[in-house]
Amino acid sequence: QKEVEQNSGPLSVPEGAIASLNCTYSDRVSQSFFWYRQYSGKSPELIMSIYSNGDKEDGRFTAQLNKASQYVSLLIRDSQPSDSATYLCAVDNNNDMRFGAGTRLTVKP
Amino acid sequence: ETGVTQTPRHLVMGMTNKKSLKCEQHLGHNAMYWYKQSAKKPLELMFVYNFKEQTENNSVPSRFSPECPNSSHLFLHLHTLQPEDSALYLCASSHPQGIPRGYTFGSGTRLTVV
Repeated sequence: QKEVEQNSGPLSVPEGAIASLNCTYSDRVSQSFFWYRQYSGKSPELIMSIYSNGDKEDGRFTAQLNKASQYVSLLIRDSQPSDSATYLCAVDNNNDMRFGAGTRLTVKP
Repeated sequence: ETGVTQTPRHLVMGMTNKKSLKCEQHLGHNAMYWYKQSAKKPLELMFVYNFKEQTENNSVPSRFSPECPNSSHLFLHLHTLQPEDSALYLCASSHPQGIPRGYTFGSGTRLTVV
């Protein structure tokens, strides 16, 4: 069983729509959760972190965490073509970070 | 610029060559990492250093040899690599103590083994 699982996509949404990216993890005791954005040919860039159940909003981004279901998601409101990238989910347990393979998002003008 | 600098950006090497990748961070972090990123696969953790001490070697073949002379510098020495070692090699750094705040990645070295 994969430790951090994401739908590889590609996920395609029209400009202005909400993009919803999902991630599940297997280690129930995981404590910290992150979303990274990686543009083609570039390195991953941290965009969101979340540590407790519920929603965390930062601008157009909302991270959602449900530890009981071992599920974390990222919503991008008012999607822009510049949001087109691969989004990596990462789960940390005591400084042991595990990454998903990423979901490729394409926002079409 | 993320504060983590990797050189070179691109490297082409033959299977009998010896080369080194360099990583330097200016963020005051005390943990540094080497990751391998291959197409369509999750980031693979290779090595972890906390306060210059290696704390994890994730079953990496001996043809990869890390070196961490201080908390700001990290090297990956390469020798007799195989074509399947071609990948993007990423260096990252973080604060290993307190609430995890995620990693800062360098731009990576795109390695091609011919």
